[in-house]
Amino acid sequence: GQQVMQIPQYQHVQEGEDFTTYCNSSTTLSNIQWYKQRPGGHPVFLIQLVKSGEVKKQKRLTFQFGEAKKNSSLHITATQTTDVGTYFCAGRAEGSARQLTFGSGTQLTVLP
Amino acid sequence: NAGVMQNPRHLVRRRGQEARLRCSPMKGHSHVYWYRQLPEEGLKFMVYLQKENIIDESGMPKERFSAEFPKEGPSILRIQQVVRGDSAAYFCASSGEYEQYFGPGTRLTVT
Repeated sequence: GQQVMQIPQYQHVQEGEDFTTYCNSSTTLSNIQWYKQRPGGHPVFLIQLVKSGEVKKQKRLTFQFGEAKKNSSLHITATQTTDVGTYFCAGRAEGSARQLTFGSGTQLTVLP
Repeated sequence: NAGVMQNPRHLVRRRGQEARLRCSPMKGHSHVYWYRQLPEEGLKFMVYLQKENIIDESGMPKERFSAEFPKEGPSILRIQQVVRGDSAAYFCASSGEYEQYFGPGTRLTVT
């Protein structure tokens, strides 16, 4: 079955430093989504990428979808304490209905 | 416009009891997904339902677990004869055009 791997599992950064999490799928994806889960909270949708090589930005967050549509990354510039949480990628396999396969997440800690 | 609702938010059960978790999707959504999350881990897909229909239950354990989404009322995830390993956060989500909206989750503790 489809597997989605995410690295690193944990990342501690000093406030102001950059942060990147990487996501790799065992199969080609029709699209990939990113979610953020604050400690004690529930996942919240951030963005969806659909096209090969697509890059989208949301303020300090930059999302990329690989050319082969099997990998993705999320980069945060100049982290803030409000960025603390776990970031999940979630991929939908080509031909799949609506199911998403979630990566294991990267837990970001931002030290003030 | 209410979001996805789950209840109870916290549930404590003794080993061998039954747990019933409820999920009401966002208004207008007819697709519901259930996920399990262990501490410090990711979201594990369990089951995908439409009204009165199970679309994909490939992530559900074969025994003790069942799910339904009746024509009227919330979706129910039922765990019979709970064991300590069932302790986890259970999230449901309903889907919009493409993204999933998650409920606040039910934290199940089995003592």
